[in-house]
Amino acid sequence: AQRVTQPEKLLSVFKGAPVELKCNYSYSGSPELFWYVQYSRQRLQLLLRHISRESIKGFTADLNKGETSFHLKKPFAQEEDSAMYYCALILDNYGQNFVFGPGTRLSVLP
Amino acid sequence: GAGVSQTPSNKVTEKGKYVELRCDPISGHTALYWYRQSLGQGPEFLIYFQGTGAADDSGLPNDRFFAVRPEGSVSTLKIQRTERGDSAVYLCASSLMAGRNTGELFFGEGSRLTVL
Repeated sequence: AQRVTQPEKLLSVFKGAPVELKCNYSYSGSPELFWYVQYSRQRLQLLLRHISRESIKGFTADLNKGETSFHLKKPFAQEEDSAMYYCALILDNYGQNFVFGPGTRLSVLP
Repeated sequence: GAGVSQTPSNKVTEKGKYVELRCDPISGHTALYWYRQSLGQGPEFLIYFQGTGAADDSGLPNDRFFAVRPEGSVSTLKIQRTERGDSAVYLCASSLMAGRNTGELFFGEGSRLTVL
């Protein structure tokens, strides 16, 4: 079975501190990975995708196939980063089904 | 509309009743997804439409769940003989094309179903 795991349900950091939200996946092929974010009282929305190699709102994520990880990082957390973060993957064989992880709630303290 | 619209936003029903949840995707989006999200969990895939046809319904938990998209736009998720375990937020998302081509799903606000 293809799985996405996010080991931390809750992560609290102080404003200005670095943050890393962990994501691991289990899939033998070449998946495409994404981070989705849900801010309070807002819809779930795409934050970034690994194929774009982009930095969004200061966040970056690197796909490490050896460790099957796709951790989300930001060097200096801001209070407005507080949200639920979901790691997701698409299986390359099918390309249709997004599989989401359980999510990590990031709380950035003042 | 500006985004994916889901109705009703909240639905409370009794065990054994039938419910319908509606999703109106972004105009022009050919792909439509239904997910279910229970408390403390990530979105769980139910079914995916490409146009009018269900391209993948492997996530539907049992035959009490059914979804249609007759004209390739609005979709309805139908749940028969509801059970308390069906209580969750049902999320709809649409995409311009199939998954890996864009990687971006546009989500609705969800329909919160409570089965008493």
